[in-house]
Amino acid sequence: EAGVAQSPRYKIIEKRQSVAFWCNPISGHATLYWYQQILGQGPKLLIQFQNNGVVDDSQLPKDRFSAERLKGVDSTLKIQPAKLEDSAVYLCASSSWGLAVGTDTQYFGPGTRLTVL
Amino acid sequence: DAKTTQPNSMESNEEEPVHLPCNHSTISGTDYIHWYRQLPSQGPEYVIHGLTSNVNNRMASLAIAEDRKSSTLILHRATLRDAAVYYCILPRRGIQGAQKLVFGQGTRLTINP
Repeated sequence: EAGVAQSPRYKIIEKRQSVAFWCNPISGHATLYWYQQILGQGPKLLIQFQNNGVVDDSQLPKDRFSAERLKGVDSTLKIQPAKLEDSAVYLCASSSWGLAVGTDTQYFGPGTRLTVL
Repeated sequence: DAKTTQPNSMESNEEEPVHLPCNHSTISGTDYIHWYRQLPSQGPEYVIHGLTSNVNNRMASLAIAEDRKSSTLILHRATLRDAAVYYCILPRRGIQGAQKLVFGQGTRLTINP
């Protein structure tokens, strides 16, 4: 079974530029998550989709971050404009059924390491 | 929401057992206990989860205290590949009832050859 795919793996941009990350979840997984992981910290949930609808985006800085999941499969996360503090690893994860609290397992991609100069 | 407390770091030797503790004194009766680990430069990966009884799988064992206020992840025979940050998590019900994982700092496990 193919895992969660993410691209690019690395990205370096100047502050105030825009950047986009792509995620392809495990086939058949209805729930997709985007996390931000700053160096030395645990991942922080930014947004959660159930199929193509947003379930939770309470931690997403909506003035600069946006995400979409068209057709309930692939997803893109965009930052525009980027700030220095956005330097982090952006992780995508998927699960088969996000509403089963407690027994659900999330599968993570390798992440995209973003450096903002 | 219940919180978990883990040591910041632990060290062990290759081929020896490792016991990673986690305190969750405010756990509710329906909270599951999940463990994930994150190898260097990789995304987190699921290790094991349990509710009340001890659990075993090919990666590890999970021992849950009788009062459920603590648990221990057991790696029976550590290898260098087990060097990672280990996260003990109690999944929460977030907005609209969907499951949400909240990661803390975790325990950084170092394995000595």
